[in-house]
Amino acid sequence: NAGVTQTPKFQVLKTGQSMTLQCAQDMNHEYMSWYRQDPGMGLRLIHYSVGAGITDQGEVPNGYNVSRSTTEDFPLRLLSAAPSQTSVYFCASSARTDNTEAFFGQGTRLTVV
Amino acid sequence: GDSVTQMEGPVTLSEEAFLTINCTYTATGYPSLFWYVQYPGEGLQLLLKATKADDKGSNKGFEATYRKETTSFHLEKGSVQVSDSAVYFCALSANKGYSTLTFGKGTMLLVSP
Repeated sequence: NAGVTQTPKFQVLKTGQSMTLQCAQDMNHEYMSWYRQDPGMGLRLIHYSVGAGITDQGEVPNGYNVSRSTTEDFPLRLLSAAPSQTSVYFCASSARTDNTEAFFGQGTRLTVV
Repeated sequence: GDSVTQMEGPVTLSEEAFLTINCTYTATGYPSLFWYVQYPGEGLQLLLKATKADDKGSNKGFEATYRKETTSFHLEKGSVQVSDSAVYFCALSANKGYSTLTFGKGTMLLVSP
């Protein structure tokens, strides 16, 4: 199984540009989430979804949009990139049971100049 | 809200030394506790977990015991190897159906031959 696949691995954007970070999982997991990782900050939750058609905000949602039209895919959209969004982004998925393991993608390193 | 505090790094050790990485948490109720490991250039992967008080999680020679009385989940390994060099994250998940993860800031471990 491929697990959780994120694309692209690296991206450079100019301030004000938009883009979509892709995330797909092939484990039929109902739960998916997006985190950003910044030096000295650990991982912080951006948005999450408990199933197709259902999304909710995490700790740092401003500047990001998500949608979940299928179980497999959970894209993260930056509508107008800002330098403060320079970070490493991780997508994760988990099954619909208590205390289950979260599986992470390889990450997308985004630089906004 | 929930929070996780772990010791700052980097932790620098020689091969075969004993490792302890401290982790304490604040949470309502009885969370599940996790240690994730991130090798250079990769996503996070679960190292071990414990779902209730006094549980001991173990994997690859690493151990951590869920201590409710001290709200701690310290990571230990008796003899580290160069291949253990990575960033280690302590995390918790509220024990109530699906819940997203709250992470500590991460501790970098560097093991020299």
